[in-house]
Amino acid sequence: DQQVKQNSPSLSVQEGRISILNCDYTNSMFDYFLWYKKYPAEGPTFLISISSIKDKNEDGRFTVFLNKSAKHLSLHIVPSQPGDSAVYFCAASVETSGSRLTFGEGTQLTVNP
Amino acid sequence: ETGVTQSPTHLIKTRGQQVTLRCSSQSGHNTVSWYQQALGQGPQFIFQYYREEENGRGNFPPRFSGLQFPNYSSELNVNALELDDSALYLCASSYDRRNSPLHFGNGTRLTVT
Repeated sequence: DQQVKQNSPSLSVQEGRISILNCDYTNSMFDYFLWYKKYPAEGPTFLISISSIKDKNEDGRFTVFLNKSAKHLSLHIVPSQPGDSAVYFCAASVETSGSRLTFGEGTQLTVNP
Repeated sequence: ETGVTQSPTHLIKTRGQQVTLRCSSQSGHNTVSWYQQALGQGPQFIFQYYREEENGRGNFPPRFSGLQFPNYSSELNVNALELDDSALYLCASSYDRRNSPLHFGNGTRLTVT
């Protein structure tokens, strides 16, 4: 039972354009959502998060949108840079579950110069 | 500030053997969790430790066990290794407060032959 799904295994965009990565979830108990990025041979690095009481959170070039009714969240990166090329994981948690995150399968983002 | 460190980086074991993976938490973090990442998949939660006790477990059999030490370092032990245990094992540490982001190590790549 895949509770967090990232349906696009890969995404390719041009430098300077917007990258939009999508994520869907099925568990309505999830109340906190995160995005991590992962470079080869490194562990995932925390990028940005959003609580279920909000519908948008912004941090520099990164913005996460949450649509609770659709059980959908997205990560916008603008402008995209070649250094953003990495695997991006969407993750979700329930308040009482501590550090138990449920991850999606990941999306490989490639930003072309 | 010292990040999360894991050892060894790579390991090859034979089916049926036992393995111990080690993790040093980021300075000041008192909660540690372990994740298994199979090829092409997102990380899957194995278990979490707080104050040297397991306080959350994912869908993994009892042959996966762990320890957390007073200095918050941790071990993951896997007995009776199976071929499907081949994966990247990630350790993550965090503060014991709600929605504290996980900080991951670079992982241990385990290959079971």
